Amino acid sequence: KAGVTQTPRYLIKTRGQQVTLSCSPISGHRSVSWYQQTPGQGLQFLFEYFSETQRNKGNFPGRFSGRQFSNSRSEMNVSTLELGDSALYLCASSADRLAEAFFGQGTRLTVV
Amino acid sequence: GIQVEQSPPDLILQEGANSTLRCNFSDSVNNLQWFHQNPWGQLINLFYIPSGTKQNGRLSATTVATERYSLLYISSSQTTDSGVYFCAGPPPGRRALTFGSGTRLQVQP
Repeated sequence: KAGVTQTPRYLIKTRGQQVTLSCSPISGHRSVSWYQQTPGQGLQFLFEYFSETQRNKGNFPGRFSGRQFSNSRSEMNVSTLELGDSALYLCASSADRLAEAFFGQGTRLTVV
Repeated sequence: GIQVEQSPPDLILQEGANSTLRCNFSDSVNNLQWFHQNPWGQLINLFYIPSGTKQNGRLSATTVATERYSLLYISSSQTTDSGVYFCAGPPPGRRALTFGSGTRLQVQP
């Protein structure tokens, strides 16, 4: 069974640009969550999607958004990138909202 | 939200030594998990342990939900155990995992 797949693995963007990250959950999993990891703030929750609906949102500005498709794949978008958005973005999937979460390898975003 | 405190923040061991990592929660959590973050950043699942004790090879974990803490035991440590260990759990009624700051473990040969 394939694990959680995140693409791309690495990304370099310029301030002001926007970026879209993709996450394909484990087959059969319907819950997808996104997290940001930075050296200063640690691992922080961004948002969670279940059955194509955003169920929870963390304390991030509106520049951060996401969506989930009918096949449970999810994308997150960051608009008007800032230097502080440089981080490792991790996606997790679980079979349902309270089940064990499994993480992908992450997308490392660098904003220059 | 809940606060998650992990101790110690850093740990250096000689190969073969045993260690105990601790995770304290400020409030009750559901579905506590332990992860090992590898050098490439991926979080590897170690245990899904809402309560009780589980063992997997040289690793074991105990969660005492009523006292809001969990322990991760590593026995006969190996250099491949090096990395950062995180505990995380969602508060009741929430799905979002709240992570501790991690314990950075370095196992020296």
